[in-house]
Amino acid sequence: SQQGEEDPQALSIQEGENATMNCSYKTSINNLQWYRQNSGRGLVHLILIRSNEREKHSGRLRVTLDTSKKSSSLLITASRAADTASYFCATANTGNQFYFGTGTSLTVIP
Amino acid sequence: DSGVTQTPKHLITATGQRVTLRCSPRSGDLSVYWYQQSLDQGLQFLIHYYNGEERAKGNILERFSAQQFPDLHSELNLSSLELGDSALYFCASSVDLAGRYNEQFFGPGTRLTVL
Repeated sequence: SQQGEEDPQALSIQEGENATMNCSYKTSINNLQWYRQNSGRGLVHLILIRSNEREKHSGRLRVTLDTSKKSSSLLITASRAADTASYFCATANTGNQFYFGTGTSLTVIP
Repeated sequence: DSGVTQTPKHLITATGQRVTLRCSPRSGDLSVYWYQQSLDQGLQFLIHYYNGEERAKGNILERFSAQQFPDLHSELNLSSLELGDSALYFCASSVDLAGRYNEQFFGPGTRLTVL
């Protein structure tokens, strides 16, 4: 089974609002990464947070990591219509096998 | 543009056939990863190669095989194709051995349709 699970599965918000999506994973990790995918396209790396970090920012993105709860959240502030995409968290186990979550489909309504 | 190229973009074939998907990583990247994305299974990690050697296997079927060549390009071979193999196949590359330390750069994917 996949290691990461995103929640919610789908999210629809108005432009300008904030979007928050969550990811849970099952085993110990070295880091957790978030990726974005526009429909039918390849994934694009957004941000990486290491296991010893609790929060990281990149532009309008804010990622938190709680290793005790094995969870992470991605916050997109002041959303734009162009943020409409699917968002995935990704982790790797010690065997270097990668697991992507099921993804959150975000729709930002202009 | 990620710098990772995949060919072909689309492939339509029949059950029982064999196909080869090709991936060229970003210049300088030694690691290549293959993923399968389908509606019912999500994004599944298949296999990882580093500098020509297999480093990790995921949910890759025995009917599937891959290799990485000395020029670092990689091929994914799918044989005895079944309807359920229809999916988007992505290749990704990263600079180092462990993509868990660095981001992976994804290609545009190959859409395989098995009829």
